[in-house]
Amino acid sequence: EDQVTQSPEALRLQEGESSSLNCSYTVSGLRGLFWYRQDPGKGPEFLFTLYSAGEEKEKERLKATLTKKESFLHITAPKPEDSATYLCAVQVTGGGNKLTFGTGTQLKVEL
Amino acid sequence: DTAVSQTPKYLVTQMGNDKSIKCEQNLGHDTMYWYKQDSKKFLKIMFSYNNKELIINETVPNRFSPKSPDKAHLNLHINSLELGDSAVYFCASSQSIGAVKNIQYFGAGTRLSVL
Repeated sequence: EDQVTQSPEALRLQEGESSSLNCSYTVSGLRGLFWYRQDPGKGPEFLFTLYSAGEEKEKERLKATLTKKESFLHITAPKPEDSATYLCAVQVTGGGNKLTFGTGTQLKVEL
Repeated sequence: DTAVSQTPKYLVTQMGNDKSIKCEQNLGHDTMYWYKQDSKKFLKIMFSYNNKELIINETVPNRFSPKSPDKAHLNLHINSLELGDSAVYFCASSQSIGAVKNIQYFGAGTRLSVL
C-alpha cells in the first residue's frame, strides 16, 4: 500500500529562520509528488509537482526537492504569511490520478 | 472567477437525513474528484470521474453516491447521515487522466456537521 509520511507534525519558526519540511514516501511506482499549501478554512493550494529524483522547483521563499525516497520543502527566510499547513501527496502509476496525502506539517512563523 | 466552487460552504444536519453537496469547475477539465478531510486534517480520496465516467471508488459506503451530469459538475449525495460523516469535503478537478501534468485544483470545501 502506498504510504506518505510527513515530519515534523508542527513547526514553529522565527521570521527569517530557514528550515525544511520532510515528506517520505513508499509507493509502487511514482508518477508525481505534489506539494500543497492549506490555510485554515480553505482548500489546498497547489505549489509544486516533482516527477523524478534530482528534480528541484522554486517559488519565492520555497524550494522543493525530490529523491527516490523523500522530498523536502525548504523555506528560506520565512515570513509570517508563510504560516499554513503544508501537504505532500503522491500520484502513482496505474492509480487513476488519485492523490495519496500525508498528514501535513503545520507551520507557524512568528515575528 | 472561482475555478472550483462548492456549495454549500457549511452544512449542519441531523443524523439520518439525506443531503447533497454540489461542485462546479470552470477550468475546462475532464476529471473531477471528491476528497474527505477528517478532524485530524487527513485528506483521503473518495471518488473520481473522468468525462462523466466513474474511475475511482475508494471503499466508500454506498450511502455516498456521486453524480456527474456533465464534465463540469460533480455532485455528492449522502443518504442516512451518520455522526462519523462529519468532516470537510473537498471537490477537485484536473485535466484528463492521460495528461502528462495532472495538477488537481481544489475547491474551498464544505464543512458537514452531523448532530
